[in-house]
Amino acid sequence: SAVISQKPSRDICQRGTSLTIQCQVDSQVTMMFWYRQQPGQSLTLIATANQGSEATYESGFVIDKFPISRPNLTFSTLTVSNMSPEDSSIYLCSGSTGASNEKLFFGSGTQLSVL
Amino acid sequence: KQEVTQIPAALSVPEGENLVLNCSFTDSAIYNLQWFRQDPGKGLTSLLLIQSSQREQTSGRLNASLDKSSGRSTLYIAASQPGDSATYLCAVKGSGTYKYIFGTGTRLKVLA
Repeated sequence: SAVISQKPSRDICQRGTSLTIQCQVDSQVTMMFWYRQQPGQSLTLIATANQGSEATYESGFVIDKFPISRPNLTFSTLTVSNMSPEDSSIYLCSGSTGASNEKLFFGSGTQLSVL
Repeated sequence: KQEVTQIPAALSVPEGENLVLNCSFTDSAIYNLQWFRQDPGKGLTSLLLIQSSQREQTSGRLNASLDKSSGRSTLYIAASQPGDSATYLCAVKGSGTYKYIFGTGTRLKVLA
């Protein structure tokens, strides 16, 4: 399966600032997703990154807080805006070709701490 | 709304034991189910994928089964090793959707 390079791997940020996370896939993928994993919890889908159009956000997540870009089939960014300590989480990008037997594969994650 | 639950939440076993992790889902209309491994502070690695039409999948010491009608999947790990220590998550993809819903995870610790 494809490999996703995600960066940064971790960051410590001040309240009120923004952080952009990047994911680069080594081959074209149909679907890219962004997840949040709060401490000790499972993964929650933030949004589906759509190539060339606005992302599709899940309930409870809004574009102003988590703007997403996907300019092509191999690259996507997630920005966490106007951060607060409650945004401290692991953020993960993932991808899939959408084929029936295709496993969902993940980047290595970004561990974000907001002071 | 699909809900995915994993039992137990945590498990500690001595090296060499065979063990079973459980995953339950509320809506049996699934497309497939995947089991993942997550090491602390890291991303997820897909272990096994079972299509809705399949009963089980095997990879090395791992065997995953699926009983769609009862909304259950199990991950069997044979002859556990300390290197198996990680969090194991299951995720289901519903029919007619591209999204995966993740379970709550089982934190496994294998003692040497």
